[in-house]
Amino acid sequence: AQTVTQSQPEMSVQEAETVTLSCTYDTSESDYYLFWYKQPPSRQMILVIRQEAYKQQNATENRFSVNFQKAAKSFSLKISDSQLGDAAMYFCAYNRDDKIIFGKGTRLHILP
Amino acid sequence: DAGVIQSPRHEVTEMGQEVTLRCKPISGHDYLFWYRQTMMRGLELLIYFNNNVPIDDSGMPEDRFSAKMPNASFSTLKIQPSEPRDSAVYFCASSSGRDEQFFGPGTRLTVL
Repeated sequence: AQTVTQSQPEMSVQEAETVTLSCTYDTSESDYYLFWYKQPPSRQMILVIRQEAYKQQNATENRFSVNFQKAAKSFSLKISDSQLGDAAMYFCAYNRDDKIIFGKGTRLHILP
Repeated sequence: DAGVIQSPRHEVTEMGQEVTLRCKPISGHDYLFWYRQTMMRGLELLIYFNNNVPIDDSGMPEDRFSAKMPNASFSTLKIQPSEPRDSAVYFCASSSGRDEQFFGPGTRLTVL
């Protein structure tokens, strides 16, 4: 089965510090997209960052960046200068055919 | 664009009643997805459409669930009859091709 594994159900980080959320996935395809979605308490699903598998350069969006290791099928999310508003559930995902396969999520707490 | 629109935002009903959830995708998107989110099972894909045609309904839990997309700007998810175990947050999402999905705000369904 093609899956997405987020091994950290919960994490905490001090405000202004850096945190890394891990994700591994399993696919036999060579061309696909990878995503990190954020779901704050409002429950709205918000795309944080996306990576195209054929691109070797890691994607960056302001304080958010990824470490994409294609051979290892690893796609971790780094949040720098953590802010209180970053507190949320984070979902790693990749697209398979027309669908997106989501992990179970990592709940991130920001400590003031 | 207003984004993906879902209605109602909250629905409380009694067991045995029919429930209809509605979704308006982003204009121009050719894919529409229905998800269900619960604490126990996480985010589950129920069904998705491409160009208004249902492509994969393998995630629909049972015959009580049905979904339609009569045109490119409207879709419904119906539960008849509803049961307490159907209580969840139901998301609609749309996308253009295989890229990121844009999610609606969700409908929180409570079946008493």
